[in-house]
Amino acid sequence: AQSVTQLDSHVSVSEGTPVLLRCNYSSSYSPSLFWYVQHPNKGLQLLLKYTSAATLVKGINGFEAEFKKSETSFHLTKPSAHMSDAAEYFCVVRIGSSNTGKLIFGQGTTLQVKP
Amino acid sequence: NAGVTQTPKFRILKIGQSMTLQCTQDMNHNYMYWYRQDPGMGLKLIYYSVGAGITDKGEVPNGYNVSRSTTEDFPLRLELAAPSQTSVYFCASSYRDYNSPLHFGNGTRLTVT
Repeated sequence: AQSVTQLDSHVSVSEGTPVLLRCNYSSSYSPSLFWYVQHPNKGLQLLLKYTSAATLVKGINGFEAEFKKSETSFHLTKPSAHMSDAAEYFCVVRIGSSNTGKLIFGQGTTLQVKP
Repeated sequence: NAGVTQTPKFRILKIGQSMTLQCTQDMNHNYMYWYRQDPGMGLKLIYYSVGAGITDKGEVPNGYNVSRSTTEDFPLRLELAAPSQTSVYFCASSYRDYNSPLHFGNGTRLTVT
């Protein structure tokens, strides 16, 4: 089955330390992958997307993600966490062929940033 | 541009009542989606549409209906509200492109008591 799994429901880091949020996917087709962020009581904002042009994708606010086909992973990283990064993060995969619009969300990872 | 507009922002329903959540977008997007968000569960796809007149079930369609008579509008109908439908509902849209990201509305918080 085609799916997306976020390996950690909760990640806690100290301000200034690196962030790693893990995402694995399963897809029969070349995947289209995204990361979204949701701050408390806010809507969802696109952080970055994988378009097959490059395996290392840079997004907003210093985040980046690396597509690894051999590992079916699309982990999100940031070199140095800020307090403002505390939020819920979602990995999203497009399921099916290029003609389908079905986008499936992972369960989400809550990022806590400690001072 | 207004983007994706959802109404209402909040609603309280009694069990068994019906209501329609409205969603409209002004970006001429082909694809539209309805998701529900429950704590610790991420977003679950309810229904989606790849164009006017075409709809399909997502992961959790039971208890809901949709229609897509125009490109702009994609209303979500709850016929017999149940407490299990208490959730935050998000409408989203995107271009008909494999790598097109979703544009979200601000959500509707629905409580069924």
